[in-house]
Amino acid sequence: GAVVSQHPSRVICKSGTSVKIECRSLDFQATTMFWYRQFPKQSLMLMATSNEGSKATYEQGVEKDKFLINHASLTLSTLTVTSAHPEDSSFYICSAREPGPSGTGELFFGEGSRLTVL
Amino acid sequence: AQSVAQPEDQVNVAEGNPLTVKCTYSVSGNPYLFWYVQYPNRGLQFLLKYITGDNLVKGSYGFEAEFNKSQTSFHLKKPSALVSDSALYFCAVRVQVLTGGGNKLTFGTGTQLKVEL
Repeated sequence: GAVVSQHPSRVICKSGTSVKIECRSLDFQATTMFWYRQFPKQSLMLMATSNEGSKATYEQGVEKDKFLINHASLTLSTLTVTSAHPEDSSFYICSAREPGPSGTGELFFGEGSRLTVL
Repeated sequence: AQSVAQPEDQVNVAEGNPLTVKCTYSVSGNPYLFWYVQYPNRGLQFLLKYITGDNLVKGSYGFEAEFNKSQTSFHLKKPSALVSDSALYFCAVRVQVLTGGGNKLTFGTGTQLKVEL
């Protein structure tokens, strides 16, 4: 099946710094990618929809200035957590939809990135 | 609005026994239904999906799920569980959106499956 690569898998940073997480679709072009956040023992919360060549669409309650999303190419989307604080510590997962008619393409997920802010 | 319910936080089953992980959904329109599995500190792996057609869907690793429209359910099943099936399972639903690139996927809260010897 299709592969989505996410990097880094783990990152530890100091409070106040910014962290960038990359999500790449390795064998297909993804016009749409999604960023999720997962708290321990909880479900995935959709943060934003990343659209190639245009601005991301953020879910209600997600600070777009805090979580910067860039989808510069059909195979790469990045999430930058700006001025990170300990409460931003979480597991971030990206996904990319394989092309398909009327949005029926499968979603493939990255391996996730564990962010720890000290 | 669309939603998914997984009523069981955890399911315990003995190896070799059949397993069922329950999922019910609520949508306006025709649902696309999915099951994913997550191992610790890993992303989600696709197991199977229902888009249209046969109500019984077969997926990876011997898993299957049955779409029941009248009961708005999409329970995940496997005839004979393995210890290696122990993981967190998520049911998800989305509705076809004809405009835009959204087609948002809504996840259930997850069910921890524990298969013991």
